Amino acid sequence: QKEVEQDPGPLSVPEGAIVSLNCTYSNSAFQYFMWYRQYSRKGPELLMYTYSSGNKEDGRFTAQVDKSSKYISLFIRDSQPSDSATYLCAMKTGGGNKLTFGTGTQLKVEL
Amino acid sequence: GAGVSQSPSNKVTEKGKDVELRCDPISGHTALYWYRQSLGQGLEFLIYFQGNSAPDKSGLPSDRFSAERTGGSVSTLTIQRTQQEDSAVYLCASSRNTGNEQFFGPGTRLTVL
Repeated sequence: QKEVEQDPGPLSVPEGAIVSLNCTYSNSAFQYFMWYRQYSRKGPELLMYTYSSGNKEDGRFTAQVDKSSKYISLFIRDSQPSDSATYLCAMKTGGGNKLTFGTGTQLKVEL
Repeated sequence: GAGVSQSPSNKVTEKGKDVELRCDPISGHTALYWYRQSLGQGLEFLIYFQGNSAPDKSGLPSDRFSAERTGGSVSTLTIQRTQQEDSAVYLCASSRNTGNEQFFGPGTRLTVL
């Protein structure tokens, strides 16, 4: 079983919809949680970074971390066709260096 | 400012050949990471450099893989005697000292025929 599980999708939504993307994890030592967006044939782009449990909002994006359930979410409000990409969750322990990634969820926002 | 740059963007090689991939991190970032992204495997950590400390090589899949970082800046990932299973996108990232926010380059797409 992988340390980080993420539904690969694809997830298809109409423009303007609220999108919910999720990851679960098994390693209770993870303390830092990130969401990356990756367009086709490009490198991952850091979207959100949170520490421990709680919510963080940045424009149309909200990241939530529930450490008790080992569950993290990314919400995208008013989704746009330009949001169509693969979304990767990533996590890191407090003393560690490497990021452990989910396999990514492919999102398509349709006109 | 300039982001992480990698070269070449694409590399096609024959099985058994050696390849070198280059990464130029963001100026002022002391930490540098190499990851590999394969179909069905997601992103996997390979190696980590921080300043003058000994690198964390725990993710290197075999002794055919090695990396160095000269002068605390540019890094080169070398794969010797390439195999078809080495075909993947090799991504480099850099971060400030804390390492919690890692910024990625565009990657090098390696194809081993």
